[in-house]
Amino acid sequence: LAKTTQPISMDSYEGQEVNITCSHNNIATNDYITWYQQFPSQGPRFIIQGYKTKVTNEVASLFIPADRKSSTLSLPRVSLSDTAVYYCLVGEGAGGYQKVTFGTGTKLQVIP
Amino acid sequence: ETGVTQTPRHLVMGMTNKKSLKCEQHLGHNAMYWYKQSAKKPLELMFVYNFKEQTENNSVPSRFSPECPNSSHLFLHLHTLQPEDSALYLCASSQDTGGGYGYTFGSGTRLTVV
Repeated sequence: LAKTTQPISMDSYEGQEVNITCSHNNIATNDYITWYQQFPSQGPRFIIQGYKTKVTNEVASLFIPADRKSSTLSLPRVSLSDTAVYYCLVGEGAGGYQKVTFGTGTKLQVIP
Repeated sequence: ETGVTQTPRHLVMGMTNKKSLKCEQHLGHNAMYWYKQSAKKPLELMFVYNFKEQTENNSVPSRFSPECPNSSHLFLHLHTLQPEDSALYLCASSQDTGGGYGYTFGSGTRLTVV
């Protein structure tokens, strides 16, 4: 199973770009990398997913180096409403989401 | 609304009660999941259903009993729970269990066992 490692917490000022890096050294060939955002007492919300190189949507960018052993979620110009826990997930492989494990995530605190 | 609806949003039950949590999705997804999130702990996968068939039971105590009558509905039947079972119970669905499309989560049921 591909285990992920993320920083436990990060602080950022409003308007700054935030980069959260996730390590997944034993990622399998057919694993995707997916990031979720969770606010208190709510379910996680899908942000972005990628397999390799760079993926961008209206919310974030995901950078994945060639070896795929890590990935970086980039949030441009964060606001107070981006304060949340961000989870990096790796899965698909054998059993796919049946074997995916959520880690502790990264608690992002955006400061005015 | 995310497309996955969970009811009730909040539930308080005694240790001798029997209650059920309900999850419903009309996203056309074939896989559904129950997760437990206790305070300051990671989400824990409890059960996985794919095309109505249970494909994963992550060593969950028998006081939690899942039911999936069809691909759109998932229930979690609760009986003789313990106070440590108090948590946020989240339902999720996905296209399939392959993981290539991501989960859609509901807003959860906040369960308090007294």
